[in-house]
Amino acid sequence: EDKVVQSPLSLVVHEGDTVTLNCSYEVTNFRSLLWYKQEKKAPTFLFMLTSSGIEKKSGRLSSILDKKELFSILNITATQTGDSAIYLCAASYTGNQFYFGTGTSLTVIP
Amino acid sequence: EAQVTQNPRYLITVTGKKLTVTCSQNMNHEYMSWYRQDPGLGLRQIYYSMNVEVTDKGDVPEGYKVSRKEKRNFPLILESPSPNQTSLYFCASSLARPGTEAFFGQGTRLTVV
Repeated sequence: EDKVVQSPLSLVVHEGDTVTLNCSYEVTNFRSLLWYKQEKKAPTFLFMLTSSGIEKKSGRLSSILDKKELFSILNITATQTGDSAIYLCAASYTGNQFYFGTGTSLTVIP
Repeated sequence: EAQVTQNPRYLITVTGKKLTVTCSQNMNHEYMSWYRQDPGLGLRQIYYSMNVEVTDKGDVPEGYKVSRKEKRNFPLILESPSPNQTSLYFCASSLARPGTEAFFGQGTRLTVV
Protein backbone atom coordinates (compact mmCIF):
# COMPACT_ATOMS: atom_id res chain seq x y z
CA GLU A 1 0.00 0.00 0.00
CA ASP A 2 1.33 3.42 -0.94
CA LYS A 3 2.10 5.65 2.00
CA VAL A 4 3.91 8.73 3.20
CA VAL A 5 5.06 8.82 6.83
CA GLN A 6 6.29 11.89 8.64
CA SER A 7 8.14 12.12 11.92
CA PRO A 8 8.04 13.40 14.51
CA LEU A 9 4.31 14.08 14.74
CA SER A 10 4.90 17.05 16.98
CA LEU A 11 7.88 19.11 18.03
CA VAL A 12 8.36 21.99 20.46
CA VAL A 13 11.61 23.95 20.32
CA HIS A 14 13.00 27.28 21.49
CA GLU A 15 13.72 30.15 19.17
CA GLY A 16 17.14 29.77 17.64
CA ASP A 17 17.13 25.98 17.65
CA THR A 18 17.67 23.93 14.50
CA VAL A 19 15.08 21.30 13.61
CA THR A 20 14.99 18.39 11.20
CA LEU A 21 11.71 17.02 9.95
CA ASN A 22 11.55 13.61 8.34
CA CYS A 23 9.45 12.17 5.55
CA SER A 24 9.62 8.62 4.23
CA TYR A 25 7.60 7.37 1.31
CA GLU A 26 6.60 4.22 -0.49
CA VAL A 27 4.71 5.28 -3.58
CA THR A 28 4.31 3.47 -6.87
CA ASN A 29 5.38 5.50 -9.91
CA PHE A 30 6.92 8.16 -7.70
CA ARG A 31 7.66 11.47 -9.44
CA SER A 32 8.68 14.04 -6.85
CA LEU A 33 8.58 14.95 -3.18
CA LEU A 34 6.99 18.19 -2.05
CA TRP A 35 7.02 20.11 1.22
CA TYR A 36 4.27 22.46 2.30
CA LYS A 37 3.84 24.76 5.29
CA GLN A 38 0.38 25.06 6.79
CA GLU A 39 -0.27 27.85 9.26
CA LYS A 40 -3.86 28.64 10.02
CA LYS A 41 -5.34 27.80 6.66
CA ALA A 42 -4.23 26.57 3.27
CA PRO A 43 -0.92 24.76 2.81
CA THR A 44 1.63 26.88 1.01
CA PHE A 45 4.32 25.40 -1.18
CA LEU A 46 7.92 25.29 0.04
CA PHE A 47 9.96 22.90 -2.05
CA MET A 48 9.78 20.30 -4.75
CA LEU A 49 12.51 17.66 -4.98
CA THR A 50 12.93 15.41 -7.94
CA SER A 51 16.58 14.43 -7.93
CA SER A 52 18.49 12.64 -5.21
CA GLY A 53 21.19 14.42 -3.27
CA ILE A 54 20.55 17.95 -4.53
CA GLU A 55 19.75 20.32 -1.70
CA LYS A 56 17.12 22.98 -2.20
CA LYS A 57 17.46 26.05 -0.03
CA SER A 58 15.33 29.04 0.76
CA GLY A 59 16.59 31.29 3.51
CA ARG A 60 16.76 29.27 6.72
CA LEU A 61 14.94 26.31 5.19
CA SER A 62 16.56 23.55 3.20
CA SER A 63 15.54 20.12 2.01
CA ILE A 64 17.08 17.10 0.36
CA LEU A 65 15.80 13.88 -1.16
CA ASP A 66 17.27 10.37 -1.03
CA LYS A 67 15.57 8.28 -3.71
CA LYS A 68 17.51 5.17 -2.81
CA GLU A 69 16.41 5.15 0.83
CA LEU A 70 13.04 6.75 -0.02
CA PHE A 71 13.10 9.67 2.36
CA SER A 72 13.46 13.41 2.54
CA ILE A 73 14.36 15.83 5.31
CA LEU A 74 13.42 19.44 5.86
CA ASN A 75 15.84 21.48 7.95
CA ILE A 76 15.03 24.77 9.59
CA THR A 77 17.93 26.64 11.17
CA ALA A 78 17.71 29.48 13.71
CA THR A 79 13.99 28.88 14.18
CA GLN A 80 11.64 31.80 14.80
CA THR A 81 8.13 31.91 16.24
CA GLY A 82 6.86 32.52 12.71
CA ASP A 83 8.05 29.04 11.78
CA SER A 84 5.36 27.54 14.01
CA ALA A 85 3.11 25.58 11.67
CA ILE A 86 2.26 22.14 10.41
CA TYR A 87 4.74 20.93 7.81
CA LEU A 88 3.32 18.57 5.24
CA CYS A 89 5.21 16.23 3.00
CA ALA A 90 3.65 14.90 -0.21
CA ALA A 91 4.77 12.40 -2.82
CA SER A 92 3.55 12.96 -6.34
CA TYR A 93 2.98 10.04 -8.64
CA THR A 94 1.41 9.03 -11.98
CA GLY A 95 0.10 12.04 -13.82
CA ASN A 96 0.35 14.56 -11.03
CA GLN A 97 -1.46 13.08 -8.06
CA PHE A 98 -0.30 13.48 -4.47
CA TYR A 99 -0.12 11.37 -1.34
CA PHE A 100 0.20 13.47 1.78
CA GLY A 101 1.70 12.54 5.12
CA THR A 102 -0.04 13.39 8.38
CA GLY A 103 2.24 16.34 8.97
CA THR A 104 4.65 17.46 11.68
CA SER A 105 3.37 20.13 14.03
CA LEU A 106 6.19 22.51 14.94
CA THR A 107 5.86 24.97 17.80
CA VAL A 108 8.63 27.50 18.35
CA ILE A 109 8.53 29.20 21.74
CA PRO A 110 10.31 32.48 22.47
CA GLU B 1 -3.76 36.93 -8.96
CA ALA B 2 -3.46 33.17 -9.39
CA GLN B 3 -5.66 31.49 -6.85
CA VAL B 4 -8.00 28.72 -5.84
CA THR B 5 -11.21 30.03 -4.29
CA GLN B 6 -13.44 27.98 -2.06
CA ASN B 7 -16.82 28.93 -0.64
CA PRO B 8 -18.07 28.99 1.98
CA ARG B 9 -15.17 29.25 4.44
CA TYR B 10 -17.30 28.08 7.36
CA LEU B 11 -20.50 26.06 7.33
CA ILE B 12 -22.61 24.55 10.07
CA THR B 13 -25.42 22.33 8.87
CA VAL B 14 -27.75 19.61 10.09
CA THR B 15 -27.59 15.93 9.28
CA GLY B 16 -29.18 15.07 5.96
CA LYS B 17 -29.39 18.56 4.47
CA LYS B 18 -27.72 18.59 1.07
CA LEU B 19 -24.89 21.06 0.62
CA THR B 20 -22.37 22.10 -1.99
CA VAL B 21 -18.91 23.55 -1.45
CA THR B 22 -17.68 25.41 -4.48
CA CYS B 23 -14.13 25.54 -5.81
CA SER B 24 -12.83 27.67 -8.64
CA GLN B 25 -9.31 28.19 -10.02
CA ASN B 26 -8.06 30.79 -12.47
CA MET B 27 -4.80 29.14 -13.52
CA ASN B 28 -6.19 26.94 -16.32
CA HIS B 29 -5.11 23.86 -14.39
CA GLU B 30 -6.23 20.50 -15.71
CA TYR B 31 -6.03 18.70 -12.40
CA MET B 32 -8.29 19.46 -9.45
CA SER B 33 -8.93 17.53 -6.27
CA TRP B 34 -10.69 17.61 -2.94
CA TYR B 35 -9.13 16.67 0.38
CA ARG B 36 -10.36 16.46 3.90
CA GLN B 37 -8.05 17.09 6.82
CA ASP B 38 -8.65 15.51 10.20
CA PRO B 39 -6.40 15.52 13.27
CA GLY B 40 -3.86 12.71 13.14
CA LEU B 41 -4.95 11.63 9.66
CA GLY B 42 -3.44 14.33 7.50
CA LEU B 43 -4.84 15.24 4.10
CA ARG B 44 -6.89 12.48 2.53
CA GLN B 45 -8.04 12.70 -1.03
CA ILE B 46 -11.80 12.48 -1.62
CA TYR B 47 -12.13 12.88 -5.39
CA TYR B 48 -9.99 14.17 -8.19
CA SER B 49 -10.43 15.24 -11.77
CA MET B 50 -7.85 15.08 -14.53
CA ASN B 51 -9.87 17.31 -16.84
CA VAL B 52 -13.38 18.34 -17.83
CA GLU B 53 -15.89 15.50 -17.46
CA VAL B 54 -13.18 13.21 -16.04
CA THR B 55 -13.48 12.44 -12.33
CA ASP B 56 -12.35 9.58 -10.15
CA LYS B 57 -12.48 8.44 -6.55
CA GLY B 58 -9.69 9.14 -4.12
CA ASP B 59 -9.10 7.39 -0.84
CA VAL B 60 -12.27 8.43 1.02
CA PRO B 61 -15.07 9.06 -1.53
CA GLU B 62 -18.02 7.64 0.42
CA GLY B 63 -20.74 10.22 1.02
CA TYR B 64 -19.40 12.71 -1.53
CA LYS B 65 -20.04 13.59 -5.15
CA VAL B 66 -18.23 15.88 -7.55
CA SER B 67 -18.67 17.22 -11.04
CA ARG B 68 -16.36 18.89 -13.55
CA LYS B 69 -18.47 20.56 -16.21
CA GLU B 70 -16.04 23.42 -16.69
CA LYS B 71 -12.28 23.45 -16.37
CA ARG B 72 -12.19 26.12 -13.68
CA ASN B 73 -14.87 24.71 -11.33
CA PHE B 74 -14.94 21.57 -9.23
CA PRO B 75 -17.78 21.58 -6.68
CA LEU B 76 -18.00 19.08 -3.83
CA ILE B 77 -21.50 17.84 -3.06
CA LEU B 78 -22.66 16.18 0.12
CA GLU B 79 -26.08 14.74 -0.67
CA SER B 80 -26.89 13.71 2.90
CA PRO B 81 -24.23 14.98 5.29
CA SER B 82 -23.51 13.08 8.48
CA PRO B 83 -21.57 14.10 11.60
CA ASN B 84 -18.55 12.00 10.54
CA GLN B 85 -18.14 14.40 7.63
CA THR B 86 -17.34 17.21 10.03
CA SER B 87 -13.89 18.20 8.87
CA LEU B 88 -11.68 20.80 7.21
CA TYR B 89 -11.94 20.56 3.44
CA PHE B 90 -9.43 21.76 0.87
CA CYS B 91 -9.68 22.07 -2.85
CA ALA B 92 -6.42 21.96 -4.80
CA SER B 93 -5.43 22.40 -8.41
CA SER B 94 -2.32 21.76 -10.45
CA LEU B 95 -1.13 21.25 -13.96
CA ALA B 96 -1.35 17.65 -15.10
CA ARG B 97 2.35 17.77 -15.91
CA PRO B 98 4.48 15.91 -13.34
CA GLY B 99 6.87 18.08 -11.44
CA THR B 100 4.48 20.91 -10.70
CA GLU B 101 3.06 21.77 -7.34
CA ALA B 102 -0.52 21.83 -6.14
CA PHE B 103 -2.17 25.11 -5.16
CA PHE B 104 -4.70 25.04 -2.35
CA GLY B 105 -7.84 26.95 -1.58
CA GLN B 106 -8.29 28.57 1.82
CA GLY B 107 -10.29 25.70 3.22
CA THR B 108 -13.88 25.13 4.30
CA ARG B 109 -14.56 24.27 7.91
CA LEU B 110 -17.69 22.09 7.87
CA THR B 111 -19.60 21.07 10.98
CA VAL B 112 -22.50 18.64 10.67
CA VAL B 113 -24.71 18.43 13.75
